[in-house]
Amino acid sequence: NAGVTQTPKFRVLKTGQSMTLLCAQDMNHEYMYWYRQDPGMGLRLIHYSVGEGTTAKGEVPDGYNVSRLKKQNFLLGLESAAPSQTSVYFCASSYSRQGVSYNEQFFGPGTRLTVL
Amino acid sequence: AQSVAQPEDQVNVAEGNPLTVKCTYSVSGNPYLFWYVQYPNRGLQFLLKYITGDNLVKGSYGFEAEFNKSQTSFHLKKPSALVSDSALYFCAVRDKSNTGKLIFGQGTTLQVKP
Repeated sequence: NAGVTQTPKFRVLKTGQSMTLLCAQDMNHEYMYWYRQDPGMGLRLIHYSVGEGTTAKGEVPDGYNVSRLKKQNFLLGLESAAPSQTSVYFCASSYSRQGVSYNEQFFGPGTRLTVL
Repeated sequence: AQSVAQPEDQVNVAEGNPLTVKCTYSVSGNPYLFWYVQYPNRGLQFLLKYITGDNLVKGSYGFEAEFNKSQTSFHLKKPSALVSDSALYFCAVRDKSNTGKLIFGQGTTLQVKP
């Protein structure tokens, strides 16, 4: 199993450009998450999904959109990139048991994004 | 509001000595607590979790953590540190909603010197 994979690994954008980050998991997990990691701030949740076709806002959703059209994929979009979105982005997934999630999340390797 | 605090930005320890990375939490009800490790340019790896039961939880790579309800702490420990343990460590608590969301501390850098 590949676990959680992210595409691309690195990207440089100019202000105003758009892009989509792809997250894929092969563990049949219901729940998926997008985080951003900035120095000294830990991980902050951007958006999350509790199942195919459903998404919800996290702690820092502004400037981002997401879609979960297939259970195994969770896409993060930046419509008009800003320098404040320079960060490392992590995708994670977790499974539930009888509709309850108390389990650890599995993380992808990250995407390092620079917005100039 | 739920929160997690890691009071130390960095912990330095000599190889072979015991190590402790501190974590305190604030959450109503029973907490679900987690520790993760991040090596340079890598994603987070799960180390251990406390859901219920024994207050001393054993995890990967010889790490363990002690849940202390009265002190609202969940400190990560290892009896004998290795240079390869040098990494960034995150404590997290599960959000009370049934969405599996985690609230992370700001992270503690562990430096183990030979």
